[in-house]
Amino acid sequence: DQQVKQNSPSLSVQEGRISILNCDYTNSMFDYFLWYKKYPAEGPTFLISISSIKDKNEDGRFTVFLNKSAKHLSLHIVPSQPGDSAVYFCAAKDFGNEKLTFGTGTRLTIIP
Amino acid sequence: KAGVTQTPRYLIKTRGQQVTLSCSPISGHRSVSWYQQTPGQGLQFLFEYFSETQRNKGNFPGRFSGRQFSNSRSEMNVSTLELGDSALYLCASSPSQGAGELFFGEGSRLTVL
Repeated sequence: DQQVKQNSPSLSVQEGRISILNCDYTNSMFDYFLWYKKYPAEGPTFLISISSIKDKNEDGRFTVFLNKSAKHLSLHIVPSQPGDSAVYFCAAKDFGNEKLTFGTGTRLTIIP
Repeated sequence: KAGVTQTPRYLIKTRGQQVTLSCSPISGHRSVSWYQQTPGQGLQFLFEYFSETQRNKGNFPGRFSGRQFSNSRSEMNVSTLELGDSALYLCASSPSQGAGELFFGEGSRLTVL
């Protein structure tokens, strides 16, 4: 039972354009959502998060949008840079629970 | 500040053997979680420890176990290894329970032959 889904295994975007990565979830108890970035042979690194009481959170080039009614979140990267090429995981958790439920990841490739 | 340290980084075992993986969290972090990453399944939660107590366990068989020591260092053990246990095992720490953001180590790559 995949409670967090990333339906696009890969995405290619031209340098300087916007990258949009999508994530859907099914568990309505999730109230905190995170995005992680992973390079080969490294552990995931935290990018940005959003609480369910918000619908948008911004940090520099990264913005996460949350649509609770659709159980959908997205990560926007603008402008995309070659160093953004990595696998991106979305993750979700519910209040007071340390366990993160991850999606299967989207491999983002930025084309110079 | 040193990051999360996992040892060993790579190891090869044969079916039926057992393995112990070690994790040293970031100094001051009391919560340690373990995840298994495989190509088709993404990151799957194994268990989480806080102050030497297992607070959460994922849907893995009893062959997978772990513990946390008083200095917050953690170990996980897999007994009677199966081919399907080949994966990247990631440890993550956080400063307190329910903090949300986890800090991951580079992982231990286990290959079972």
